[in-house]
Amino acid sequence: AAGVIQSPRHLIKEKRETATLKCYPIPRHDTVYWYQQGPGQDPQFLISFYEKMQSDKGSIPDRFSAQQFSDYHSELNMSSLELGDSALYFCASSFHTYSDRTYEQYFGPGTRLTVT
Amino acid sequence: AQRVTQPEKLLSVFKGAPVELKCNYSYSGSPELFWYVQYSRQRLQLLLRHISRESIKGFTADLNKGETSFHLKKPFAQEEDSAMYYCALTYTNAGKSTFGDGTTLTVKP
Repeated sequence: AAGVIQSPRHLIKEKRETATLKCYPIPRHDTVYWYQQGPGQDPQFLISFYEKMQSDKGSIPDRFSAQQFSDYHSELNMSSLELGDSALYFCASSFHTYSDRTYEQYFGPGTRLTVT
Repeated sequence: AQRVTQPEKLLSVFKGAPVELKCNYSYSGSPELFWYVQYSRQRLQLLLRHISRESIKGFTADLNKGETSFHLKKPFAQEEDSAMYYCALTYTNAGKSTFGDGTTLTVKP
């Protein structure tokens, strides 16, 4: 079965550069979540999109922006990179059915960003 | 290769009953194990980490290195415990986490 795809898997950038991370959700999933996990830290929620609209926002710096496109893939744009942005960035997707049940969230393998 | 297995996709119990969510892992080093919870339409939240050995919302989890397990337990389930639970393994020095596929817990009244 198809899973959440993230690209690139590894990215090395210098300070003050720009990076774009991509996430391709599981087919028919309409919601995408972005998480940031620093070395030895818990994943921190950044932002989520449902049906191409921002649905929730967490600890995402103003230097970052994201969007979900018509094909439901999402891109996380990071500008003026800082050393502290070095982390693993997880994307997850889910499908929001009209029910009271919780929604399963499937995570991608992550993109490891290293800022030097 | 590192791997986290949550064998139960769905788990349903009645309110007041004990609940155990299973998690097994495979990793050659000394991992850090976590449980994350996601309530309906909400973000993933950290529930427990094995190094702190604390009880959150009545949940406990013990790392059993012999059995490579980190099962999540609660003696008396509550309806508000209904959520998605993820077990995760972190490689301390690399900072990379591997998550299980998750278990959906439904607590019925």
